[in-house]
Amino acid sequence: AQSVTQLDSHVSVSEGTPVLLRCNYSSSYSPSLFWYVQHPNKGLQLLLKYTSAATLVKGINGFEAEFKKSETSFHLTKPSAHMSDAAEYFCVVSGGGGATNKLIFGTGTLLAVQP
Amino acid sequence: EADIYQTPRYLVIGTGKKITLECSQTMGHDKMYWYQQDPGMELHLIHYSYGVNSTEKGDLSSESTVSRIRTEHFPLTLESARPSHTSQYLCASSVGTGNQPQHFGDGTRLSIL
Repeated sequence: AQSVTQLDSHVSVSEGTPVLLRCNYSSSYSPSLFWYVQHPNKGLQLLLKYTSAATLVKGINGFEAEFKKSETSFHLTKPSAHMSDAAEYFCVVSGGGGATNKLIFGTGTLLAVQP
Repeated sequence: EADIYQTPRYLVIGTGKKITLECSQTMGHDKMYWYQQDPGMELHLIHYSYGVNSTEKGDLSSESTVSRIRTEHFPLTLESARPSHTSQYLCASSVGTGNQPQHFGDGTRLSIL
């Protein structure tokens, strides 16, 4: 079975400082992993995805994530936070191959950016 | 920008009413999904569809029903709304196999009085 654990429910950073949102996964096979962002009263927007190509994945808005199989981690980082980055972030693993493409969501990390 | 639309965005309605939440996508995606999300919580899959005339229940039990008569349209219906149905409902679509991302609509925030 697949699962994801987001290690922090809330993260607060100052504008201009680095962002680190932590995610560990569990999968019985080579997983596909995603990070989504959700701004208030909006749907989810895909930030980036890992699908067994390069382990360092670059996404939109300056975010990137590194797939580390030995640590079963897929942490999201950004060198310098912007006020517009304040949102909820979800780490997601694909629930299996085949036709369903079901996603397993983490519980989310709420990122606050202080001026 | 993904082309998936949900209406209404917000709905406040009384107990016992029949409700249909609309979801349409213009990308020709074969797979569509409905998720339920309570404030500050993760998403739970309540329904999904492989394609036309295919619907399946998701991981979270729901009293709602869905239909998939056309590729682009995946409405969700509550025959008799109750306060326990108050939540945000998100629709998504995708193409292909498990390594393809899902594209989400902006959601419908439903409040049952």
